[in-house]
Amino acid sequence: AQSVTQPDIHITVSEGASLELRCNYSYGATPYLFWYVQSPGQGLQLLLKYFSGDTLVQGIKGFEAEFKRSQSSFNLRKPSVHWSDAAEYFCAVGAPGAGSYQLTFGKGTKLSVIP
Amino acid sequence: GAVVSQHPSWVICKSGTSVKIECRSLDFQATTMFWYRQFPKQSLMLMATSNEGSKATYEQGVEKDKFLINHASLTLSTLTVTSAHPEDSSFYICSVIPISYEQYFGPGTRLTVT
Repeated sequence: AQSVTQPDIHITVSEGASLELRCNYSYGATPYLFWYVQSPGQGLQLLLKYFSGDTLVQGIKGFEAEFKRSQSSFNLRKPSVHWSDAAEYFCAVGAPGAGSYQLTFGKGTKLSVIP
Repeated sequence: GAVVSQHPSWVICKSGTSVKIECRSLDFQATTMFWYRQFPKQSLMLMATSNEGSKATYEQGVEKDKFLINHASLTLSTLTVTSAHPEDSSFYICSVIPISYEQYFGPGTRLTVT
């Protein structure tokens, strides 16, 4: 079964600074990878996804993520953080060919932004 | 993408009563919906897979008699928490899959059982 690790529970950055949120996965093959963002009291919004092809994927709100097979990682980046980016971020993994569209979520990283 | 709504957004009920939460897919016919539970400051825990016209598939450890799921149409799935107790207080979120593996989530329902 697949698993997801988000090593950082809470990250604080200054507005305008760059951001990298870490995500490591465990799966026997190349998984489908996702990043979701959750604002307080809200559902999850899909930021970006990786299925195959170019390992650097662009998402909404200026986010990007890079799939590194050798490191089993799918880290999320943003060059300049805005105060509105403060939220909880979840990395998720899907198992192609498993016969189910279920996703396994990491425990999340809370992002705080200092004005 | 897909637009998903949930109703109610917040509900408070007394211990022992039942609560029904609706999940609607507004622009997509969803044969499958997922129901999640999220405790404060924690990740999403998949409770069950709701299948239109058939019985839901529950994850291990989820009581199917307590969390009744009905997926009567391609746009509506309901989760009924029966005989609710304070430990059932949580944030319940549903999702649909318009594209393989790509889930779109509802805004969630916060249940508080007093």
